[in-house]
Amino acid sequence: GAVVSQHPSRVICKSGTSVKIECRSLDFQATTMFWYRQFPKQSLMLMATSNEGSKATYEQGVEKDKFLINHASLTLSTLTVTSAHPEDSSFYICSARFRGPYNEQFFGPGTRLTVL
Amino acid sequence: AQSVSQHNHHVILSEAASLELGCNYSYGGTVNLFWYVQYPGQHLQLLLKYFSGDPLVKGIKGFEAEFIKSKFSFNLRKPSVQWSDTAEYFCAVNALSSGTYKYIFGTGTRLKVLA
Repeated sequence: GAVVSQHPSRVICKSGTSVKIECRSLDFQATTMFWYRQFPKQSLMLMATSNEGSKATYEQGVEKDKFLINHASLTLSTLTVTSAHPEDSSFYICSARFRGPYNEQFFGPGTRLTVL
Repeated sequence: AQSVSQHNHHVILSEAASLELGCNYSYGGTVNLFWYVQYPGQHLQLLLKYFSGDPLVKGIKGFEAEFIKSKFSFNLRKPSVQWSDTAEYFCAVNALSSGTYKYIFGTGTRLKVLA
């Protein structure tokens, strides 16, 4: 149980284009989803937290207009990297949690974005 | 602000050696603690977790961790490492921040096991 998927697993795009990454909770309803970014050989940094049906809360230093997050249903959140540039190349990981006593997050497999 | 420290950034061991990776956190409230492993080029996998109860937690692949509340620590241990344990290990704390529980990850420890 508690499986989270991401699509696509890898994406290569040209500079200036927008890329959408999907995060789905497959066997539970996710009241909250999180988006992380991981640069090579570095740790995971939380970008934003999103609750179903409400606006995402972004961490300090994360550009809201560049990283658009939509949590339209209890099983789907999307991250759109708008006008991507090479410095946006990274590993993007989502996680999801359901309403429970321990607030445990379940992680997706990640999406590797390469911007040329 | 809450933080998680992993003091060992790189560890090199020979096969069959014992492993202990340090993790200290700064947070005064109730915490949930996790260790994750990330094999080269792969995604994050949960090794073990602590919510409450017995402070000695056993996880997958022979790993264990001990929660010592007085030291704010959650060190990861394995009695005998294998070459296949070569990976990056992340400690994480689930703590209340700005009204919601969030994970704070340590900087990671890169383990290399020599055959």
